[in-house]
Amino acid sequence: DIQMTQSPSSLSASVGDRVTITCRASQSISRYLHWYQQKLGKAPKLLIYGASSLQSGVPSRFSGSGSGTEFTLTISSVQPEDFATYYCQQSFSTPPTFGQGTKVEIK
Amino acid sequence: QVQLQESGPGLVKPSQTLSLTCTVSGGSISSGSDYWSWIRQHPGKGLEWIGFIYNSVSPYYNPSLKSRVTISVDTSKNQFSLRLSSVTAADTAIYYCARAVAPEDSGSYWFDSWGQGTLVTVSS
Repeated sequence: DIQMTQSPSSLSASVGDRVTITCRASQSISRYLHWYQQKLGKAPKLLIYGASSLQSGVPSRFSGSGSGTEFTLTISSVQPEDFATYYCQQSFSTPPTFGQGTKVEIK
Repeated sequence: QVQLQESGPGLVKPSQTLSLTCTVSGGSISSGSDYWSWIRQHPGKGLEWIGFIYNSVSPYYNPSLKSRVTISVDTSKNQFSLRLSSVTAADTAIYYCARAVAPEDSGSYWFDSWGQGTLVTVSS
């Protein structure tokens, strides 16, 4: 299985800060990398697919980049509704695997 | 906009079989390009893919669970189901059903629609 490792595991940010989350794959996954947001008690929500494509309806302050083994999710100006846990997921090979999550908390 | 809703018992005894159903609305489960999926999340933990079924007949399972999992589709009811046999306390989790879309030109798939999740506790 391909291992996905996110860093940091958690971070504190103030409203308006730029937030960057990194996801590393244990082998090259091209751009088969997707990002999800999960709020407490809710199902995950797709934010970014194919490393950098914004899912319909997702605010443009979210962006993704990377290829191969290293990827980033950036929130350009974090808003109160963005405080949540973020997961990356690879679909390069089966089984699809998720990172362990990055919790974004209010400073 | 497709919507998914899980249903099934919230409590299962050890060694028994966990059975859940996902009802799909707003779209047809017979759509040939979608993967109908089950994903679980242990309390306070990350996400684990259980398996999915493609084109109503081709299931794929996580090797770690393959010997105990069956995913099937009922196209007449627009539902798909999960059966997980010989459960233990380690199978206590929130179970989500989800749709993975796989656009032809992408060579990839991602989970774009999720049910709200249902907590299944394994306990005697």
